[in-house]
Amino acid sequence: AQTVTQSQPEMSVQEAETVTLSCTYDTSESDYYLFWYKQPPSRQMILVIRQEAYKQQNATENRFSVNFQKAAKSFSLKISDSQLGDAAMYFCALTGGGGADGLTFGKGTHLIIQP
Amino acid sequence: SAVISQKPSRDICQRGTSLTIQCQVDSQVTMMFWYRQQPGQSLTLIATANQGSEATYESGFVIDKFPISRPNLTFSTLTVSNMSPEDSSIYLCSATGTSGSYEQYFGPGTRLTVT
Repeated sequence: AQTVTQSQPEMSVQEAETVTLSCTYDTSESDYYLFWYKQPPSRQMILVIRQEAYKQQNATENRFSVNFQKAAKSFSLKISDSQLGDAAMYFCALTGGGGADGLTFGKGTHLIIQP
Repeated sequence: SAVISQKPSRDICQRGTSLTIQCQVDSQVTMMFWYRQQPGQSLTLIATANQGSEATYESGFVIDKFPISRPNLTFSTLTVSNMSPEDSSIYLCSATGTSGSYEQYFGPGTRLTVT
């Protein structure tokens, strides 16, 4: 069975500052993928960033980057230059089966942006 | 990325009745999935909707309660049967992209309230 753990129920950051959201996971798969999703109050799930486990290079998407530590099974999300629009629930997720399986989600982190 | 729509966006239903939720993707996709998000909780995978064959259900979810159809590569339905107040949740469908793509894109969700 796969598990995803997000140990920070809520985080707060000042606008324009940097914040890091933590995620650890466990899987017996050798071929798996990791994701961060954002869910604003509209409830639409938005894909923020993705990481293939076989890639050593950390993924980056504009202000969003990850720190993927495969041996430690850690997958943290760094948001730089935080903006008010970043306020949302952030979910870490994992899929195995070469990407053909459904996602296993963590419990989420509620990110608050202080103006 | 795939664009996904769901109908209805929300509904209020009486206990003991059934509701069918539709999920439409704007392009042919390999995999489609259904998730449940209970109030204030994370997403839980209900089943994988297989085209042309029976859905694959996760532990704790059964076909009699959540029958799923997938008649083609762009459409799926989820029925919530014999509803009780405990079924009040947001139901989301997702899809992967074309062959070789592994990231999942989500529909806007259906908010179901059972009274």
